[in-house]
Amino acid sequence: NAGVTQTPKFRILKIGQSMTLQCTQDMNHNYMYWYRQDPGMGLKLIYYSVGAGITDKGEVPNGYNVSRSTTEDFPLRLELAAPSQTSVYFCASSYFPTEAFFGQGTRLTVV
Amino acid sequence: KNEVEQSPQNLTAQEGEFITINCSYSVGISALHWLQQHPGGGIVSLFMLSSGKKKHGRLIATINIQEKHSSLHITASHPRDSAVYICAVHSGGGADGLTFGKGTHLIIQP
Repeated sequence: NAGVTQTPKFRILKIGQSMTLQCTQDMNHNYMYWYRQDPGMGLKLIYYSVGAGITDKGEVPNGYNVSRSTTEDFPLRLELAAPSQTSVYFCASSYFPTEAFFGQGTRLTVV
Repeated sequence: KNEVEQSPQNLTAQEGEFITINCSYSVGISALHWLQQHPGGGIVSLFMLSSGKKKHGRLIATINIQEKHSSLHITASHPRDSAVYICAVHSGGGADGLTFGKGTHLIIQP
């Protein structure tokens, strides 16, 4: 089992560019989440999904979009990147409310 | 909104010492997680608790629901235990993710 796989691991974007962070899980989990981690702060929820075709906003959704066309995939889209989106992004999945499994993270810098 | 506070924020100890990290939260929860994050690395789930105590190897996690408090203990600490330990809670019955503490940065010196 690969668990939760995130790509890319690192990325530098210019202001105004767009990109998609990929997240795939092979555990058939129904719940998937995107979090961002800023220095000195706790992780904050961006978006979550309770199953294919269903997504909802978390605490900090502005500037992001998601989709969930399959159980396995939950990509996060950044449109018009801004310096405030410089962060480390984590994807996670679970059979709520059991143990959560996290990806290795994507370190994004917007310059 | 649940507030999750961890203490201490930073902890440096000698190899072999008994380590305690504390977590308190403001609103009733359905479950509490302890997570481990190594520098530059991903996040690994250590425990999920809704009551009582759990043990895995040298790690012990306890929770007191009435006092809204949890502790993570490490016995016979080792330099490889150096990491950030994060407390996170599920509030209520919804699937809307976890609320996280800011983490405790632990360094175990040989």
